[in-house]
Amino acid sequence: EDQVTQSPEALRLQEGESSSLNCSYTVSGLRGLFWYRQDPGKGPEFLFTLYSAGEEKEKERLKATLTKKESFLHITAPKPEDSATYLCAGGDSSYKLIFGSGTRLLVRP
Amino acid sequence: GAVVSQHPSRVICKSGTSVKIECRSLDFQATTMFWYRQFPKKSLMLMATSNEGSKATYEQGVEKDKFLINHASLTLSTLTVTSAHPEDSSFYICSARALTGTSGGPDEQYFGPGTRLTVT
Repeated sequence: EDQVTQSPEALRLQEGESSSLNCSYTVSGLRGLFWYRQDPGKGPEFLFTLYSAGEEKEKERLKATLTKKESFLHITAPKPEDSATYLCAGGDSSYKLIFGSGTRLLVRP
Repeated sequence: GAVVSQHPSRVICKSGTSVKIECRSLDFQATTMFWYRQFPKKSLMLMATSNEGSKATYEQGVEKDKFLINHASLTLSTLTVTSAHPEDSSFYICSARALTGTSGGPDEQYFGPGTRLTVT
């Protein structure tokens, strides 16, 4: 059965304290590993799609990496405005997204 | 970046009435759109896949007669919640798949801002 697991469930950081979020996946026929940011009461905002092991993508303070079993979202020197829920999803062979439960990130000033 | 809109953003309706939610891709064509439901502090649950010009494919446990989906054009999909009841109250979100490469190649999915449905 296809499954995506994210950890930790919640993460509190001080401003400037770098960390990583984990996404473990088992998705048959994986067509892409997606990362999204979601703010309360809003739809997910697209961040990255990774397609093959070893691939890396960066956007501002965020960097996503992919292995055959996991993906990591590295946050470098976070700011309070990075506080949000970060969602990871595996795209299956029919382009459906299987979402993890998310990591709620709080960055304190 | 690609933009997906939803309308309305919030709707309150009485039990037994029907509600239509629109999802539009504003600056790209989307052959496939997806409808999700999200409960408070929970992740997104896929309800159905909508392909332009064909019938929607519903996930197991989702009542197709209750949640009517129409994908009328390459930029518009609608979700109609029929005979709504309080348990249908939720946050409904659509997404649209944008092809950035050849068939089977890279693609990206963009989400709308969501619609908060409250059934009283």
